[in-house]
Amino acid sequence: KQEVTQIPAALSVPEGENLVLNCSFTDSAIYNLQWFRQDPGKGLTSLLLIQSSQREQTSGRLNASLDKSSGRSTLYIAASQPGDSATYLCAVSYVNNRLAFGKGNQVVVIP
Amino acid sequence: DGGITQSPKYLFRKEGQNVTLSCEQNLNHDAMYWYRQDPGQGLRLIYYSQIVNDFQKGDIAEGYSVSREKKESFPLTVTSAQKNPTAFYLCASSIQGARNEQFFGPGTRLTVL
Repeated sequence: KQEVTQIPAALSVPEGENLVLNCSFTDSAIYNLQWFRQDPGKGLTSLLLIQSSQREQTSGRLNASLDKSSGRSTLYIAASQPGDSATYLCAVSYVNNRLAFGKGNQVVVIP
Repeated sequence: DGGITQSPKYLFRKEGQNVTLSCEQNLNHDAMYWYRQDPGQGLRLIYYSQIVNDFQKGDIAEGYSVSREKKESFPLTVTSAQKNPTAFYLCASSIQGARNEQFFGPGTRLTVL
């Protein structure tokens, strides 16, 4: 069974610092990996999707890398802002296009 | 505007009652999904449907039922057999294929009184 881990569960950073969030998964047979953002009491917003054949994806201040062989992905957020405070979820797509989710990294950016 | 809508936003249920959560999408996506989110846990898959009139159980289907009579709609019924239904329920959809980028609705918070 695919297991996805995100550590730490929570972190705080001063405004302006770069954020680095890590995600690991146990089975490298994935179709893709998706990073989401969730604000309290809201649904999930898709940030980046990396296909299994890709090594990274970029969107604005966000960059996500994928190392399928080692079962790892990293989400970088450059020059963090208070508006980046949220929970970030990592999910991998596997058999029948199902998603397995990590429990998330709860991020607070301190002004 | 294209997107996924869920209703109601908040739902209260007495023990022993069945309730139905609505999920509609106008993205022309073939696949739709229902997840449950509890505090401190990741999202868990309840049911999913890859095509109209077909659906499969996810990891925690017991006590839930679904239907997929139309491409745009995938309602979830929480039955009285579900022992601990209080949770945040999220609906998602995606196109079929390798990309399978899932898009989520705003969620329904169900509370059992």
